[in-house]
Amino acid sequence: GQNIDQPTEMTATEGAIVQINCTYQTSGFNGLFWYQQHAGEAPTFLSYNVLDGLEEKGRFSSFLSRSKGYSYLLLKELQMKDSASYLCAVRGDSNYQLIWGAGTKLIIKP
Amino acid sequence: DTEVTQTPKHLVMGMTNKKSLKCEQHMGHRAMYWYKQKAKKPPELMFVYSYEKLSINESVPSRFSPECPNSSLLNLHLHALQPEDSALYLCASSRDRSSYEQYFGPGTRLTVT
Repeated sequence: GQNIDQPTEMTATEGAIVQINCTYQTSGFNGLFWYQQHAGEAPTFLSYNVLDGLEEKGRFSSFLSRSKGYSYLLLKELQMKDSASYLCAVRGDSNYQLIWGAGTKLIIKP
Repeated sequence: DTEVTQTPKHLVMGMTNKKSLKCEQHMGHRAMYWYKQKAKKPPELMFVYSYEKLSINESVPSRFSPECPNSSLLNLHLHALQPEDSALYLCASSRDRSSYEQYFGPGTRLTVT
């Protein structure tokens, strides 16, 4: 079957660094995505990894290891507005559909 | 313009009503999507349109009927819905089906009474 696992909830302190992990088992791999979703709002695209390694974009970085079926999203210099759910999604086989994880709710405390 | 708009923002309907959700984008995207999202769950893909043709229907009940009148518009017609259909309905678009970045609209919060 196809499966994407990520922690249900994480808590971090304002100004700190947090790493949200995602592991996946899918039939085929055509890229891994991270989306941010604030409560009651639409998901917004954060990052896309298709090759192994680290992609850095400002305070956010995303890492991929295809051999391990593993990715993480790293958030630095946390701000209160970073409190949101972070969704990991994989494009599996050739029909370009996204397989979504259940999301990690990140709570930022002052 | 990198925006996907959806109307209405909120909709309350009875089980015998007929209503429509609307989605619009002016980014020249040729792939458009309908997702359903329940609370604390990830989005579930319902339909995909590619170049105004329905390319994916994820075994969605016929009480949901999509329509793509042109490349900028996507509708979802609702009829005889059930209370369990209450959810956030998200529209998204991408340059084409192979493009990796999907832009999501703000969603329509649907309540079926």
